Amino acid sequence: GQQLNQSPQSMFIQEGEDVSMNCTSSSIFNTWLWYKQEPGEGPVLLIALYKAGELTSNGRLTAQFGITRKDSFLNISASIPSDVGIYFCAGPNTGNQFYFGTGTSLTVIP
Amino acid sequence: NAGVTQTPKFRILKIGQSMTLQCTQDMNHNYMYWYRQDPGMGLKLIYYSVGAGITDKGEVPNGYNVSRSTTEDFPLRLELAAPSQTSVYFCASSYTLNTEAFFGQGTRLTVV
Repeated sequence: GQQLNQSPQSMFIQEGEDVSMNCTSSSIFNTWLWYKQEPGEGPVLLIALYKAGELTSNGRLTAQFGITRKDSFLNISASIPSDVGIYFCAGPNTGNQFYFGTGTSLTVIP
Repeated sequence: NAGVTQTPKFRILKIGQSMTLQCTQDMNHNYMYWYRQDPGMGLKLIYYSVGAGITDKGEVPNGYNVSRSTTEDFPLRLELAAPSQTSVYFCASSYTLNTEAFFGQGTRLTVV
């Protein structure tokens, strides 16, 4: 099946630091979505990317759609404690199936 | 704003029992999905539907069944529960495949 690999698997950072994570696919994606999941909740959409090379921001979050269409990147600037959670990349393949990445767990130390 | 509603929130089943996880959405979305999430893992697609009357298998469909008789409802059925089906189950819906998927709160299922 489709594999979306995220790295790093987990991160422990100090409040105020910037965060970078990425997602790679074994095949081409036409859409990349980044979700955040907090404990006991379902994932919530953060940013959607629809075009290769696209760079989109949402507050302190910036995501990029890789030129090869096989990767995407998410950056969080000046992290705060409420950024804690698991971040997932996701996207649809050509067969109507929507896949999620393996996730990056973020812990922010005050 | 109800969005995607899942019931029950928690359930404990004995091996071999059956149950139906309910999912309903009020956003008139065409696409609906069922995922399972094991501890510390990502979400794996069980089944999906692109519209009423149409369902298809995802990555991990074995041991599950679905139906989509209406646009709003997409129940997931476990016929013979097994310990390997202990997981958190999420239902989601989206207007199209490339647009935001909205998730329910999840159903935590334990099979003992």
